[in-house]
Amino acid sequence: GAGVSQSPSNKVTEKGKDVELRCDPISGHTALYWYRQSLGQGLEFLIYFQGNSAPDKSGLPSDRFSAERTGGSVSTLTIQRTQQEDSAVYLCASSFPQGQGNTIYFGEGSWLTVV
Amino acid sequence: AQSVSQHNHHVILSEAASLELGCNYSYGGTVNLFWYVQYPGQHLQLLLKYFSGDPLVKGIKGFEAEFIKSKFSFNLRKPSVQWSDTAEYFCAVNPGGYNKLIFGAGTRLAVHP
Repeated sequence: GAGVSQSPSNKVTEKGKDVELRCDPISGHTALYWYRQSLGQGLEFLIYFQGNSAPDKSGLPSDRFSAERTGGSVSTLTIQRTQQEDSAVYLCASSFPQGQGNTIYFGEGSWLTVV
Repeated sequence: AQSVSQHNHHVILSEAASLELGCNYSYGGTVNLFWYVQYPGQHLQLLLKYFSGDPLVKGIKGFEAEFIKSKFSFNLRKPSVQWSDTAEYFCAVNPGGYNKLIFGAGTRLAVHP
Protein backbone atom coordinates (compact mmCIF):
# COMPACT_ATOMS: atom_id res chain seq x y z
CA GLY A 1 0.00 0.00 0.00
CA ALA A 2 0.91 3.66 -0.06
CA GLY A 3 1.70 3.86 3.64
CA VAL A 4 1.93 1.89 6.85
CA SER A 5 -1.52 0.67 7.75
CA GLN A 6 -2.60 -0.17 11.30
CA SER A 7 -5.77 -1.67 12.72
CA PRO A 8 -7.81 -1.12 14.72
CA SER A 9 -7.40 2.63 14.87
CA ASN A 10 -9.14 2.67 18.25
CA LYS A 11 -9.69 -0.12 20.76
CA VAL A 12 -11.34 0.01 24.16
CA THR A 13 -10.91 -3.13 26.21
CA GLU A 14 -11.57 -4.28 29.73
CA LYS A 15 -8.72 -4.84 32.12
CA GLY A 16 -7.56 -8.43 31.95
CA LYS A 17 -8.57 -9.03 28.33
CA ASP A 18 -6.13 -9.81 25.54
CA VAL A 19 -5.76 -7.50 22.53
CA GLU A 20 -4.15 -7.86 19.12
CA LEU A 21 -2.93 -4.93 17.08
CA ARG A 22 -2.11 -5.36 13.41
CA CYS A 23 0.39 -3.63 11.16
CA ASP A 24 0.73 -3.74 7.38
CA PRO A 25 4.08 -2.20 6.41
CA ILE A 26 4.89 -0.44 3.18
CA SER A 27 5.35 -2.99 0.43
CA GLY A 28 8.98 -4.05 0.10
CA HIS A 29 10.04 -2.76 3.50
CA THR A 30 11.97 -5.48 5.29
CA ALA A 31 12.38 -3.65 8.59
CA LEU A 32 9.38 -3.20 10.90
CA TYR A 33 9.19 -1.47 14.28
CA TRP A 34 6.68 -1.12 17.07
CA TYR A 35 6.71 1.94 19.31
CA ARG A 36 4.43 3.10 22.13
CA GLN A 37 3.42 6.69 22.77
CA SER A 38 1.83 7.36 26.13
CA LEU A 39 0.08 10.60 27.08
CA GLY A 40 2.69 13.26 27.76
CA GLN A 41 5.56 10.91 26.97
CA GLY A 42 7.83 10.49 24.01
CA LEU A 43 8.01 7.47 21.78
CA GLU A 44 9.14 4.30 23.47
CA PHE A 45 10.75 1.59 21.33
CA LEU A 46 9.23 -1.86 21.76
CA ILE A 47 10.56 -4.26 19.13
CA TYR A 48 12.30 -4.40 15.77
CA PHE A 49 11.88 -7.00 13.03
CA GLN A 50 14.17 -7.67 10.11
CA GLY A 51 12.20 -10.00 7.91
CA ASN A 52 10.41 -12.43 10.21
CA SER A 53 12.99 -12.42 12.96
CA ALA A 54 13.20 -9.98 15.85
CA PRO A 55 16.85 -9.23 16.61
CA ASP A 56 15.88 -6.53 19.10
CA LYS A 57 12.94 -6.97 21.44
CA SER A 58 14.57 -5.11 24.29
CA GLY A 59 11.74 -2.59 24.63
CA LEU A 60 8.89 -5.01 25.36
CA PRO A 61 7.80 -3.92 28.86
CA SER A 62 6.82 -7.34 30.21
CA ASP A 63 6.14 -10.92 29.21
CA ARG A 64 2.51 -9.95 28.62
CA PHE A 65 3.70 -8.29 25.40
CA SER A 66 4.63 -10.32 22.33
CA ALA A 67 4.87 -9.71 18.61
CA GLU A 68 5.26 -11.77 15.51
CA ARG A 69 5.72 -11.15 11.84
CA THR A 70 4.82 -13.55 9.07
CA GLY A 71 5.78 -13.66 5.42
CA GLY A 72 8.11 -10.75 5.93
CA SER A 73 5.08 -8.50 5.89
CA VAL A 74 2.19 -8.23 8.37
CA SER A 75 2.99 -7.99 12.06
CA THR A 76 0.79 -8.51 15.10
CA LEU A 77 1.46 -7.06 18.55
CA THR A 78 -0.36 -8.97 21.27
CA ILE A 79 -0.93 -7.74 24.80
CA GLN A 80 -2.20 -10.35 27.22
CA ARG A 81 -4.12 -9.60 30.42
CA THR A 82 -4.19 -5.90 29.68
CA GLN A 83 -3.62 -3.39 32.48
CA GLN A 84 -4.63 0.25 32.66
CA GLU A 85 -1.01 1.34 32.28
CA ASP A 86 -1.04 -0.30 28.84
CA SER A 87 -3.30 2.50 27.59
CA ALA A 88 -1.36 4.32 24.88
CA VAL A 89 -1.02 4.80 21.15
CA TYR A 90 0.84 1.89 19.59
CA LEU A 91 2.74 2.97 16.50
CA CYS A 92 4.06 0.72 13.79
CA ALA A 93 6.77 1.84 11.38
CA SER A 94 8.65 0.30 8.49
CA SER A 95 11.69 0.95 6.33
CA PHE A 96 14.17 -0.64 3.98
CA PRO A 97 17.02 -2.20 6.00
CA GLN A 98 18.37 0.17 8.62
CA GLY A 99 22.00 1.16 8.75
CA GLN A 100 21.76 2.19 5.11
CA GLY A 101 20.40 5.69 5.56
CA ASN A 102 16.79 4.75 5.00
CA THR A 103 13.86 6.70 6.38
CA ILE A 104 11.48 5.07 8.83
CA TYR A 105 7.81 5.68 7.97
CA PHE A 106 5.13 5.60 10.63
CA GLY A 107 1.52 4.51 10.58
CA GLU A 108 -1.31 6.43 12.20
CA GLY A 109 -1.28 4.26 15.27
CA SER A 110 -3.71 2.14 17.25
CA TRP A 111 -5.15 3.99 20.21
CA LEU A 112 -5.65 1.49 23.06
CA THR A 113 -7.72 2.33 26.11
CA VAL A 114 -7.91 -0.17 28.95
CA VAL A 115 -10.85 0.43 31.31
CA ALA B 1 22.80 4.26 27.25
CA GLN B 2 21.97 6.39 24.25
CA SER B 3 19.53 9.22 24.89
CA VAL B 4 18.06 12.24 23.16
CA SER B 5 17.25 15.47 24.99
CA GLN B 6 14.86 18.12 23.76
CA HIS B 7 15.25 21.17 25.93
CA ASN B 8 11.88 22.80 25.42
CA HIS B 9 8.71 20.89 26.18
CA HIS B 10 6.35 23.71 25.22
CA VAL B 11 7.02 26.70 22.96
CA ILE B 12 4.55 29.47 22.18
CA LEU B 13 5.25 31.89 19.36
CA SER B 14 3.46 34.48 17.30
CA GLU B 15 3.29 34.15 13.55
CA ALA B 16 6.42 35.39 11.75
CA ALA B 17 8.61 34.79 14.79
CA SER B 18 11.76 32.74 14.36
CA LEU B 19 11.97 29.24 15.77
CA GLU B 20 14.82 27.19 17.17
CA LEU B 21 14.21 23.88 18.92
CA GLY B 22 17.13 22.29 20.68
CA CYS B 23 18.15 18.65 20.42
CA ASN B 24 21.17 16.97 21.99
CA TYR B 25 22.08 13.30 21.92
CA SER B 26 24.48 11.12 23.80
CA TYR B 27 26.39 8.80 21.49
CA GLY B 28 30.02 9.08 20.51
CA GLY B 29 30.00 7.28 17.20
CA THR B 30 28.39 7.77 13.82
CA VAL B 31 24.76 8.78 13.97
CA ASN B 32 21.87 9.40 11.65
CA LEU B 33 19.65 12.26 12.83
CA PHE B 34 16.00 13.04 12.19
CA TRP B 35 13.29 15.51 12.98
CA TYR B 36 9.71 14.26 12.82
CA VAL B 37 6.55 16.33 13.15
CA GLN B 38 3.11 15.29 14.37
CA TYR B 39 0.31 17.69 13.43
CA PRO B 40 -2.86 17.52 15.54
CA GLY B 41 -4.72 14.30 14.78
CA GLN B 42 -2.17 13.11 12.26
CA HIS B 43 0.63 10.58 12.20
CA LEU B 44 4.34 11.23 12.49
CA GLN B 45 5.90 12.67 9.36
CA LEU B 46 9.53 13.15 8.49
CA LEU B 47 10.62 16.80 8.39
CA LEU B 48 14.28 16.29 7.56
CA LYS B 49 17.19 13.94 8.10
CA TYR B 50 20.96 13.96 8.25
CA PHE B 51 23.11 10.99 7.26
CA SER B 52 26.36 12.51 5.98
CA GLY B 53 27.77 15.43 4.04
CA ASP B 54 26.68 19.04 4.52
CA PRO B 55 25.80 19.46 8.20
CA LEU B 56 23.14 22.04 7.32
CA VAL B 57 20.11 20.09 6.21
CA LYS B 58 17.05 21.60 4.58
CA GLY B 59 13.67 19.92 4.95
CA ILE B 60 10.08 20.47 4.00
CA LYS B 61 8.02 23.60 4.75
CA GLY B 62 11.05 25.85 5.20
CA PHE B 63 12.59 23.96 8.10
CA GLU B 64 16.31 23.36 8.43
CA ALA B 65 18.60 21.78 10.99
CA GLU B 66 22.31 21.97 11.68
CA PHE B 67 24.37 19.03 12.87
CA ILE B 68 27.19 20.21 15.15
CA LYS B 69 29.22 17.12 15.93
CA SER B 70 31.36 18.78 18.62
CA LYS B 71 28.23 19.75 20.54
CA PHE B 72 26.28 16.52 19.86
CA SER B 73 23.46 18.75 18.70
CA PHE B 74 20.93 18.84 15.86
CA ASN B 75 18.81 21.94 16.40
CA LEU B 76 15.77 22.64 14.26
CA ARG B 77 15.19 26.13 12.89
CA LYS B 78 12.67 28.07 10.86
CA PRO B 79 13.09 31.80 10.16
CA SER B 80 9.38 32.66 10.19
CA VAL B 81 6.72 30.34 11.63
CA GLN B 82 3.12 30.09 10.52
CA TRP B 83 -0.03 29.13 12.41
CA SER B 84 -0.01 25.85 10.43
CA ASP B 85 3.31 24.90 12.09
CA THR B 86 1.44 24.22 15.32
CA ALA B 87 2.40 20.63 16.08
CA GLU B 88 4.61 18.42 18.20
CA TYR B 89 8.20 18.04 17.03
CA PHE B 90 10.38 15.04 17.80
CA CYS B 91 14.11 14.72 17.42
CA ALA B 92 15.39 11.18 16.85
CA VAL B 93 18.75 9.49 16.58
CA ASN B 94 19.72 6.25 14.89
CA PRO B 95 23.08 5.38 16.45
CA GLY B 96 25.44 3.67 14.03
CA GLY B 97 24.79 -0.05 13.84
CA TYR B 98 21.61 0.07 15.88
CA ASN B 99 18.37 -0.81 14.15
CA LYS B 100 16.02 1.56 15.90
CA LEU B 101 15.32 5.23 16.40
CA ILE B 102 15.74 6.75 19.82
CA PHE B 103 13.34 9.65 20.29
CA GLY B 104 13.39 12.73 22.42
CA ALA B 105 10.36 13.55 24.56
CA GLY B 106 9.03 16.01 21.98
CA THR B 107 8.36 19.75 21.91
CA ARG B 108 4.84 21.09 21.57
CA LEU B 109 4.81 24.23 19.45
CA ALA B 110 1.81 26.56 19.46
CA VAL B 111 1.80 29.41 16.95
CA HIS B 112 -0.70 32.19 17.52
CA PRO B 113 -2.01 34.28 14.60
